[in-house]
Amino acid sequence: QKEVEQNSGPLSVPEGAIASLNCTYSDRVSQSFFWYRQYSGKSPELIMSIYSNGDKEDGRFTAQLNKASQYVSLLIRDSQPSDSATYLCAVNVQGNTPLVFGKGTRLSVIA
Amino acid sequence: SQTIHQWPATLVQPVGSPLSLECTVEGTSNPNLYWYRQAAGRGLQLLFYSVGIGQISSEVPQNLSASRPQDRQFILSSKKLLLSDSGFYLCAWSAGVSNQPQHFGDGTRLSIL
Repeated sequence: QKEVEQNSGPLSVPEGAIASLNCTYSDRVSQSFFWYRQYSGKSPELIMSIYSNGDKEDGRFTAQLNKASQYVSLLIRDSQPSDSATYLCAVNVQGNTPLVFGKGTRLSVIA
Repeated sequence: SQTIHQWPATLVQPVGSPLSLECTVEGTSNPNLYWYRQAAGRGLQLLFYSVGIGQISSEVPQNLSASRPQDRQFILSSKKLLLSDSGFYLCAWSAGVSNQPQHFGDGTRLSIL
């Protein structure tokens, strides 16, 4: 059974702080990793993709991948109240198959 | 650029009535297409996915069905809705090759009375 695990939260951080969201996956052959943001009542929106070990930065967002530990994380610097949402981790295990989604972590940024 | 259209945005249906939700994608050819359901406060449940016209894979046995009559059109149907069919239905597409992200439509919020 291919699984993607996330802490459901809520994760509460003060405005301006760094929010750290974590995700682990069960299948060692997983090849590509994605982070989605879902505001309440809206559809998920892709915010980051990462394919190789290390860090990938895009604006205030940094995705980190460690395939040996089967761990992927998302850092949000200078968190804003508008970052309050549920963040979904998704993994492509193999080939042209559907992504496996975690259940998401709810982030609350307190002004 | 690619766009995905999904309609209607909201739908209220009585128990036992039929259902048809439609999704179309523009700006790409031979996409993979997906239907998800999300219950309130819950994760995404993959219902169906398709890698080509007439090719449908069902992930969860239930009273729903899907069809792909054209390359960029995906339809979710039911002959008789149940109360448990209520939820947020999302269509998504991805490029038909490995390791690509999925992109979601705006979703349909379905309430069964």
